Amino acid sequence: AQSVTQPDIHITVSEGASLELRCNYSYGATPYLFWYVQSPGQGLQLLLKYFSGDTLVQGIKGFEAEFKRSQSSFNLRKPSVHWSDAAEYFCAVGNQGGKLIFGQGTELSVKP
Amino acid sequence: DTGVSQDPRHKITKRGQNVTFRCDPISEHNRLYWYRQTLGQGPEFLTYFQNEAQLEKSRLLSDRFSAERPKGSFSTLEIQRTEQGDSAMYLCASSPGQGAANTEAFFGQGTRLTVV
Repeated sequence: AQSVTQPDIHITVSEGASLELRCNYSYGATPYLFWYVQSPGQGLQLLLKYFSGDTLVQGIKGFEAEFKRSQSSFNLRKPSVHWSDAAEYFCAVGNQGGKLIFGQGTELSVKP
Repeated sequence: DTGVSQDPRHKITKRGQNVTFRCDPISEHNRLYWYRQTLGQGPEFLTYFQNEAQLEKSRLLSDRFSAERPKGSFSTLEIQRTEQGDSAMYLCASSPGQGAANTEAFFGQGTRLTVV
């Protein structure tokens, strides 16, 4: 069955520190992979996506993610976190049909 | 174009009442999706349309739920005889169409439903 696992429900980092949010997926074919961010009471904004090619993808707001097929992972990273990055982050897997399967989400808190 | 628009943003209804939500996708987008998100969870797929055709429905979409996209533009999601378990955020998204380059989904801000 297709699924996405985000092992960390809540992460707290200090402002300026580096960040890594974990995502593991289970998918039969070559997946399309996405990271979305959601602020409280708001919809989802796409941070970055991976379809094929270079396994390190760059996104908006200084985020990047690396696709590792051998580990079925697509972890999100940022070298220096800003207070405005505090939000909920969702990893998702999809295909050409467009339907997305989301993980449970990781809530990020940023300490001043 | 201001993106995907959903109306209303919030809805409080009594159990047993019917509710209808509207979604206006980005104008040139052929695909429209509905998702449901409960507190502390990721969005769950409900259904999607390619133009006016409803191509897939999740088993989460019970017979109390119906969605339409009559002219391939806006869409409505109706819930009949609402139950407290229907309380959730209902998210609409649209995408240009098939193919890797067109798969990116743009989400609206959602409709928060509270059933009391």
